[in-house]
Amino acid sequence: GENVEQHPSTLSVQEGDSAVIKCTYSDSASNYFPWYKQELGKGPQLIIDIRSNVGEKKDQRIAVTLNKTAKHFSLHITETQPEDSAVYFCATQGAGSYQLTFGKGTKLSVIP
Amino acid sequence: DAGVIQSPRHEVTEMGQEVTLRCKPISGHNSLFWYRQTMMRGLELLIYFNNNVPIDDSGMPEDRFSAKMPNASFSTLKIQPSEPRDSAVYFCASSPPRVGRDNQPQHFGDGTRLSIL
Repeated sequence: GENVEQHPSTLSVQEGDSAVIKCTYSDSASNYFPWYKQELGKGPQLIIDIRSNVGEKKDQRIAVTLNKTAKHFSLHITETQPEDSAVYFCATQGAGSYQLTFGKGTKLSVIP
Repeated sequence: DAGVIQSPRHEVTEMGQEVTLRCKPISGHNSLFWYRQTMMRGLELLIYFNNNVPIDDSGMPEDRFSAKMPNASFSTLKIQPSEPRDSAVYFCASSPPRVGRDNQPQHFGDGTRLSIL
């Protein structure tokens, strides 16, 4: 089955700096890669996703890059703000599959 | 737009009692998922419904767990009898119909924090 490794498990950055979270996966059939943000006491919230036919996608301060050959994808947050502090999860999904495989999460702390 | 709505938000009960968790998916979504989240095991898929029909319940830990989806706008997850090791946060998620073979994003509710004493 699919295995998703996520690094780092914790990340502290100064407000205004960039944050990068990386995930690697094992199943070459995976073709959908969402990222979720989970704040304390809330459910995971989809913040950005990318499909395998695209190498990069941006949405304001958030970007995701995908390297299918190397089987890794990354989340980039620029100009971080205290409200970006949360746990971030990467996930993968295969074509036609309903099953999401999640990474173990990265706790991001943005220090004012 | 209303998201996935779960109730109750918190539930504290004694072991042996029956627990029922409720979920209202986003209108128009035809897939519904129940997940359990713990520190040790992360997010685990318990059961998946498509068009109100259970498709995969292989993640349901024991016969004490059951789930129903009587219509497109309501689902329940029941634990009977409950045990302390069932304590976790339970999430419901829904997703819209697939477009071709493209997967659609899953949208999560804010969960039910369950504590079994």
